[in-house]
Amino acid sequence: EDKVVQSPLSLVVHEGDTVTLNCSYEVTNFRSLLWYKQEKKAPTFLFMLTSSGIEKKSGRLSSILDKKELFSILNITATQTGDSAVYLCASRGSSNTGKLIFGQGTTLQVKP
Amino acid sequence: SAVISQKPSRDICQRGTSLTIQCQVDSQVTMMFWYRQQPGQSLTLIATANQGSEATYESGFVIDKFPISRPNLTFSTLTVSNMSPEDSSIYLCSAPGQGAGTEAFFGQGTRLTVV
Repeated sequence: EDKVVQSPLSLVVHEGDTVTLNCSYEVTNFRSLLWYKQEKKAPTFLFMLTSSGIEKKSGRLSSILDKKELFSILNITATQTGDSAVYLCASRGSSNTGKLIFGQGTTLQVKP
Repeated sequence: SAVISQKPSRDICQRGTSLTIQCQVDSQVTMMFWYRQQPGQSLTLIATANQGSEATYESGFVIDKFPISRPNLTFSTLTVSNMSPEDSSIYLCSAPGQGAGTEAFFGQGTRLTVV
C-alpha cells in the first residue's frame, strides 16, 4: 500500500531559526512529490519535485528530493511567525489521474 | 494555474441531514478529487469524480454516504448524507493543473460541523 510519512509531527521554533521538515514515501511507480502549506483550510502549493538532487527554491524555502532513498526535505531559513502552518507532503503514484497520497503533516509554530 | 471556487465555506448542520458542497473550476479538467480532513488529521481521498461516469470511491467510502455528481468538465458536487458528528471535517475539492504531472490545486475548503 502506498504511503507517505512526515516527521516531525510538530515543531516549535523561534523567529530566525532554520527548520528542516522530512518526508519519506513508498509509492508504486512514483511520479512526483509535492509540498503544500496549510494555514486555514485550503493547502497552497509550494513545490513539486520529480528529479533527484535538484533543489527548488522560493525565497526562504527550498526543497530537494532523493529518489534513491525515497525521501524529500523542506527547508525554511530565517523563519518568521508567518511561517506558522501545517506543512503537507504528498506523492503522486502510478496513475496519471492527479490523485495524491498525503502524509500526516508537520505542524510548525514559530514564536516571536 | 486553475482557480477552484468551493462553497459553502462553512456550515453547521443537524445530525441526520445532508449537505451538498459545490466546486467550480475556471477551466475544463478531466478529473476532480474530493478529500476529507478530520480534525488534526491529514487529507484523505474520498473519491475521484469523472465526467460522464460514476465516481471512483476509495476504501472506506461509499456512494450512499458521499454521492458525487460531475455534470460537466468544470463542476462537481459532493453530498454528505445522513450526517453524524463523526462527519465533522474539512472537505476539499481538488483538480490537477494543466499538463501532465503538474501540481494539484484546491478549493477553499468547507468546514462542516455536525451537531
